[in-house]
Amino acid sequence: DVQLVESGGTLVQPGGSVKLSCAASGVTLSVYSLNWVRQAPGKGLEWVAHINTGGNVIHYADSVKGRFTISRANDKNSVYLQMNSLKDDDTAVYYCSVPTIFGRRGYWGQGTSVTVSS
Amino acid sequence: DIQMTQSPSPLSASVGDRVTITCQASQDIRNYLNWYQQKPGQAPKLLIYDVSNLETGVPSRFSGSGSGTHFSLTISSLQPEDIATYYCQQYDNFPVTFGGGTKVEIK
Repeated sequence: DVQLVESGGTLVQPGGSVKLSCAASGVTLSVYSLNWVRQAPGKGLEWVAHINTGGNVIHYADSVKGRFTISRANDKNSVYLQMNSLKDDDTAVYYCSVPTIFGRRGYWGQGTSVTVSS
Repeated sequence: DIQMTQSPSPLSASVGDRVTITCQASQDIRNYLNWYQQKPGQAPKLLIYDVSNLETGVPSRFSGSGSGTHFSLTISSLQPEDIATYYCQQYDNFPVTFGGGTKVEIK
């Protein structure tokens, strides 16, 4: 079975930093592009960041550009999200996902919760 | 950015009803449109990919249609287990964008 397991979610003060990790089992992440998607409490889904298989094509939502960094370690079958200069609005459950694109099904983790509050 | 507008929300219907959720894109997204179902406390679950392709294991009462900028998700006979929030998502261009969600309730 394919599993994506996010970790690193925590309570952090505004202005602080957190690094999220997503480890995969049952699937080799190196052949897939990867996304982070978040969901604020009671709100809808918001795409956050994308990284291609080689790690050299990266896109960010405007809301996180310059503050968040997506990276991957294919040897660890993992993807990461470094989150700096956190704001209250960054409070959300963060999901890593292999996107469903061009007829190829993807996968989602169960999410990790980040709360930004003083 | 491509805006995805879903309607209605919420949607209240009776068990057995045929229900349709629509999703309008602000520009042509070709066929790069997926539908997800999300229940409280759970990750989104893929229902339909590329407009009309049913994900393996998803009941056949779910179907998708549309093209260009107008898309729809139909549940042919609403079941109690279909109570959830449904999202459309485009991946034609970055940023990837989701519709605002349609919460389906039982009347």
